[in-house]
Amino acid sequence: ETGVTQSPTHLIKTRGQQVTLRCSSQSGHNTVSWYQQALGQGPQFIFQYYREEENGRGNFPPRFSGLQFPNYSSELNVNALELDDSALYLCASSRAQGLVHEQYFGPGTRLTVT
Amino acid sequence: SQQGEEDPQALSIQEGENATMNCSYKTSINNLQWYRQNSGRGLVHLILIRSNEREKHSGRLRVTLDTSKKSSSLLITASRAADTASYFCATLGGTSYGKLTFGQGTILTVHP
Repeated sequence: ETGVTQSPTHLIKTRGQQVTLRCSSQSGHNTVSWYQQALGQGPQFIFQYYREEENGRGNFPPRFSGLQFPNYSSELNVNALELDDSALYLCASSRAQGLVHEQYFGPGTRLTVT
Repeated sequence: SQQGEEDPQALSIQEGENATMNCSYKTSINNLQWYRQNSGRGLVHLILIRSNEREKHSGRLRVTLDTSKKSSSLLITASRAADTASYFCATLGGTSYGKLTFGQGTILTVHP
């Protein structure tokens, strides 16, 4: 197992609500990335945080936002939930080493939107 | 959008046999990584191969990379029932940050 933890494990929300997912990165890692994995698909990159700033974003609308804290933990916030937001949300931490970026994933948060 | 395409989508073999999974990608890369995922849980990093490498080994895993064909293969030798999982290739490249672009994965089932 990696040292990356995520909470909660499972979450059920209603369409239109807001959700916050949390991630603690592995010790020594200063970069956190978030991915969305729909059932039967590979993970899709949402965004990445490095030293508390967003430094890259995938093709996700602004209602997906995030934060990184001084201890490098991170939050993913999703506003105005839609049914299609139902997915496994994965965070991954890495030690920014130029372009190597070996990422270590947490166990994920399973979000169900009804 | 998914960069990689993996082949086959599903693979079923007997314990002790070798399993080969292939991955193709579209754009230039800095490195390619393989991950394993058990039953919709988190991804486990298996191996990373850089764009200037052609082959890499780790235990029972062998990865090859052909940048001219934009393809990679993962070979698992002497498979075990515990190898049953989904396997994903992911490429890093084209951005200044660590965005991994994943394929859709290969579901491997190893029968005891």
